[in-house]
Amino acid sequence: RKEVEQDPGPFNVPEGATVAFNCTYSNSASQSFFWYRQDCRKEPKLLMSVYSSGNEDGRFTAQLNRASQYISLLIRDSKLSDSATYLCVGFNQAGTALIFGKGTTLSVSS
Amino acid sequence: EPEVTQTPSHQVTQMGQEVILRCVPISNHLYFYWYRQILGQKVEFLVSFYNNEISEKSEIFDDQFSVERPDGSNFTLKIRSTKLEDSAMYFCASSEARDRGFEQYFGPGTRLTVT
Repeated sequence: RKEVEQDPGPFNVPEGATVAFNCTYSNSASQSFFWYRQDCRKEPKLLMSVYSSGNEDGRFTAQLNRASQYISLLIRDSKLSDSATYLCVGFNQAGTALIFGKGTTLSVSS
Repeated sequence: EPEVTQTPSHQVTQMGQEVILRCVPISNHLYFYWYRQILGQKVEFLVSFYNNEISEKSEIFDDQFSVERPDGSNFTLKIRSTKLEDSAMYFCASSEARDRGFEQYFGPGTRLTVT
């Protein structure tokens, strides 16, 4: 059964810092992963998809390392508004349902 | 920007009562999902739905749960006889397709409190 594991943190960083989160997965058959962001008591919001070639969107870069079975998210120039829980998400073996990690909490302070 | 909507935002019910949670998926999406998140825990898959039938369900989705698409827009989750442990946030999601590359978009959730 596929599992997704993350370091829960919290990561406490000052504004402007660069921070990286890693996530490991146990199902080597998965083709794609996602990073979602979740604010306290809110819904998960899609941050970015992660494919074999990786993905970059502004200050955010996601990488997929299939050999080591981990996914990373890099946030550059952290903003106060980046404070949230970041969820690493993959698919189940059938590719039909999302499997969520428990999330990594980021707190950015001024 | 189109979004998934859910009602009610908060539902309080007594143990043993039936509840129906409602969702309106994004209009051109064909696949619909329910997830739940118990406070302090991770988001868990419940069920996926396509072409008016369940395509997959998890171990959590037992006989107490059912889903329905009663019309062209609504997608509902019914819990027949609620238990204390059903207290959680219930998120509806939808996607254009089911393939691994298609992102799922989540509604704001319904907070269910069973007393």
